[in-house]
Amino acid sequence: AQSVTQLGSHVSVSEGALVLLRCNYSSSVPPYLFWYVQYPNQGLQLLLKYTTGATLVKGINGFEAEFKKSETSFHLTKPSAHMSDAAEYFCAVSDPYSSASKIIFGSGTRLSIRP
Amino acid sequence: KAGVTQTPRYLIKTRGQQVTLSCSPISGHRSVSWYQQTPGQGLQFLFEYFSETQRNKGNFPGRFSGRQFSNSRSEMNVSTLELGDSALYLCASSFRSGETNEQFFGPGTRLTVL
Repeated sequence: AQSVTQLGSHVSVSEGALVLLRCNYSSSVPPYLFWYVQYPNQGLQLLLKYTTGATLVKGINGFEAEFKKSETSFHLTKPSAHMSDAAEYFCAVSDPYSSASKIIFGSGTRLSIRP
Repeated sequence: KAGVTQTPRYLIKTRGQQVTLSCSPISGHRSVSWYQQTPGQGLQFLFEYFSETQRNKGNFPGRFSGRQFSNSRSEMNVSTLELGDSALYLCASSFRSGETNEQFFGPGTRLTVL
């Protein structure tokens, strides 16, 4: 079985500061890992994904995440926060060997940006 | 290329009623998955349809059902609505079943049960 734990349901940073959202996963097979962003009253937008290969993954809007197998982590970072980054962020995992399109999501982290 | 579309975007129903939500996948995509998002339970997988067949099902009661048509459009039905069914229902599509790395989400249908 797979699971995802996001540390911190709410993170607040100042504009221009580093953004760090933490995610740990559990999986019996090498997983696919994702970060999604959700703005109020909208659906999910894929920020970035790890499938295979390079462990440092770059996504949209200046975000990146590093897959660390030894730590079972996939933390999301952005060097400098913008006001427009305020949203809910979801870390997610799936089984690449499964024939089913099922993604397991973490509980989400709400990111607030202070002016 | 148009994205995943969901209709209606907002819906208000009363307890005991039934509701049908619709999802049109990206052109060429044959797999449609449904998710329920609530403040308490977060994002949970409901079921997946591929080539008009249910491929996988989450842990939801039988009141939740779905189907897929030959053009890959999918509908989700909830019967005997309960207050706890109030949620954002998201669908996602991919070309094949199991392609979570190439899955795209729609904007969702916000269901409110009074």
